Amino acid sequence: QQQVKQSPQSLIVQKGGISIINCAYENTAFDYFPWYQQFPGKGPALLIAIRPDVSEKKEGRFTISFNKSAKQFSLHIMDSQPGDSATYFCAASFSGGSQGNLIFGKGTKLSVKP
Amino acid sequence: DTEVTQTPKHLVMGMTNKKSLKCEQHMGHRAMYWYKQKAKKPPELMFVYSYEKLSINESVPSRFSPECPNSSLLNLHLHALQPEDSALYLCASSQENRVTGELFFGEGSRLTVL
Repeated sequence: QQQVKQSPQSLIVQKGGISIINCAYENTAFDYFPWYQQFPGKGPALLIAIRPDVSEKKEGRFTISFNKSAKQFSLHIMDSQPGDSATYFCAASFSGGSQGNLIFGKGTKLSVKP
Repeated sequence: DTEVTQTPKHLVMGMTNKKSLKCEQHMGHRAMYWYKQKAKKPPELMFVYSYEKLSINESVPSRFSPECPNSSLLNLHLHALQPEDSALYLCASSQENRVTGELFFGEGSRLTVL
């Protein structure tokens, strides 16, 4: 129940295309869903996050879609650019838990071809 | 630039050596974390310090010894490591003592155990 399942494992998109990464969870107590972006040789950095009281959040070219009933959330990258090539991790946590309870998905390696 | 600074960026050590990884943040965060990340895997939580006290130890072997000298500093002392301990060690901090907001990661210390 603590897992966050992420797919696909890898993704190749042409420049200008839409990248879509999906995550699913089981624990309905989760109430915070961030996406982290990690470039090679760097630490992860928060990209965008959503809470379950909204169904969508958009920041620039990045959008999270959240489906509470299906227990799924996804990251959409519009007009994908080569600079977006990185590994993306979805994650989930719940405010009632103890510290450090951020559950990561296994990651998606995105390659955007010029 | 990341606001969590980790040193050294790279470390090579033998199995009999003693070394330390250091982490510093000046954001006034009261929770600090050590994560271990193997290639193509998500970060794995090792330790959590909340208000300078160890609050979570995720069953980490005793050859890893954390220390939090003050609210801005976090160390990870390494002794008698094994080659399978080779990984990227990430330090992170957060404003709250539960991960309901952003985790700020450092760039990591790449450890190689010979």
